[in-house]
Amino acid sequence: SAVISQKPSRDICQRGTSLTIQCQVDSQVTMMFWYRQQPGQSLTLIATANQGSEATYESGFVIDKFPISRPNLTFSTLTVSNMSPEDSSIYLCSVVSLYEQYFGPGTRLTVT
Amino acid sequence: KQEVTQIPAALSVPEGENLVLNCSFTDSAIYNLQWFRQDPGKGLTSLLLIQSSQREQTSGRLNASLDKSSGRSTLYIAASQPGDSATYLCAVKETSYDKVIFGPGTSLSVIP
Repeated sequence: SAVISQKPSRDICQRGTSLTIQCQVDSQVTMMFWYRQQPGQSLTLIATANQGSEATYESGFVIDKFPISRPNLTFSTLTVSNMSPEDSSIYLCSVVSLYEQYFGPGTRLTVT
Repeated sequence: KQEVTQIPAALSVPEGENLVLNCSFTDSAIYNLQWFRQDPGKGLTSLLLIQSSQREQTSGRLNASLDKSSGRSTLYIAASQPGDSATYLCAVKETSYDKVIFGPGTSLSVIP
């Protein structure tokens, strides 16, 4: 299994600012995934982050808005840039370990 | 393009009832299927993982089945309890290195 922690657990931010979310895994993993869950919705993949290479973004998500870092095999960050109220969501980090997908506890972001 | 649907969207049952949640996917060429539970405002907890070669998995009061040819999975919960109240998400993975694609979820309420 994999244990994932995220910081912060929640935050309230002003429009136009940026927030960086940290994800730490207790084991080395090749790929880390970042998901967004908007209020009342299911999860949507933002991007896949491999160590040592640029993240791969899904349709509708761009690097300028959601820059991702992956400095090593246990850590990643997702930045939500120039935030607007539409960015209010839960952001979740995820990894695969032994075929099974694991998720962090999520970061609840509210943009005012 | 793989699409995942879940029926019903919401379900309310009295405590002690057995219940079935349904998940359908459009492309039967999947690698595995996973059922998750999400409590309000929280992250995801993996319940059961079924590999494409398997027909079912069991854990305690939970049983998940998979019929790849018909593109369906069911999650059976026996003797439901109020603590089972949560949103249940079905997710499919198309290859070992791919993202998971989520269904919209079923919101379950078990009434004491």
